[in-house]
Amino acid sequence: DTAVSQTPKYLVTQMGNDKSIKCEQNLGHDTMYWYKQDSKKFLKIMFSYNNKELIINETVPNRFSPKSPDKAHLNLHINSLELGDSAVYFCASSQAGGIVYNSPLHFGNGTRLTVT
Amino acid sequence: QKEVEQNSGPLSVPEGAIASLNCTYSDRGSQSFFWYRQYSGKSPELIMSIYSNGDKEDGRFTAQLNKASQYVSLLIRDSQPSDSATYLCAVNEEGGGADGLTFGKGTHLIIQP
Repeated sequence: DTAVSQTPKYLVTQMGNDKSIKCEQNLGHDTMYWYKQDSKKFLKIMFSYNNKELIINETVPNRFSPKSPDKAHLNLHINSLELGDSAVYFCASSQAGGIVYNSPLHFGNGTRLTVT
Repeated sequence: QKEVEQNSGPLSVPEGAIASLNCTYSDRGSQSFFWYRQYSGKSPELIMSIYSNGDKEDGRFTAQLNKASQYVSLLIRDSQPSDSATYLCAVNEEGGGADGLTFGKGTHLIIQP
């Protein structure tokens, strides 16, 4: 009964390919996120969704497209992969949203993407 | 630009001593503060949260918050080798709601047996 699960754990692909990462949470949280952690371990938010609605879209290339079919799922599709996309991508969820701000993030196990 | 600053380390502490980790943040309206621990190759896990000025203790961990100085710290008493990890400070700004947390770059802590 994993709280936040994401697949795949590892993804190795060539430049120019398109790939997807899936995420599901069973915590009943209203908000889900994608974070990117680079080689220097810096965690940076990419997107957040609250009840299937896009809330945050940081300065991310439009090759990255999130999709939330329902509030328990948030997927990330990446087109035309580039070498610089290599990183660990973490899905997370929280109860935050609206006036609720003091809710921590619960992270999935991460997807290590390597673009060759 | 919201910023959360941490000393990247490595911070080396002998086993049994107190490890002190520090964090400053730029947004004066920040409301919620969190410490995460991340082992190499693993996901961040929440170890402490603090919302009001002062100290908050949980086992060997104490979080300290000073909003006037925009400063958060984490103390780890009786440090163990298993505490060796990267510690991430995270902040949720005023009205953050679903905006997520802003993370510092982390402090790499090494506990020497």
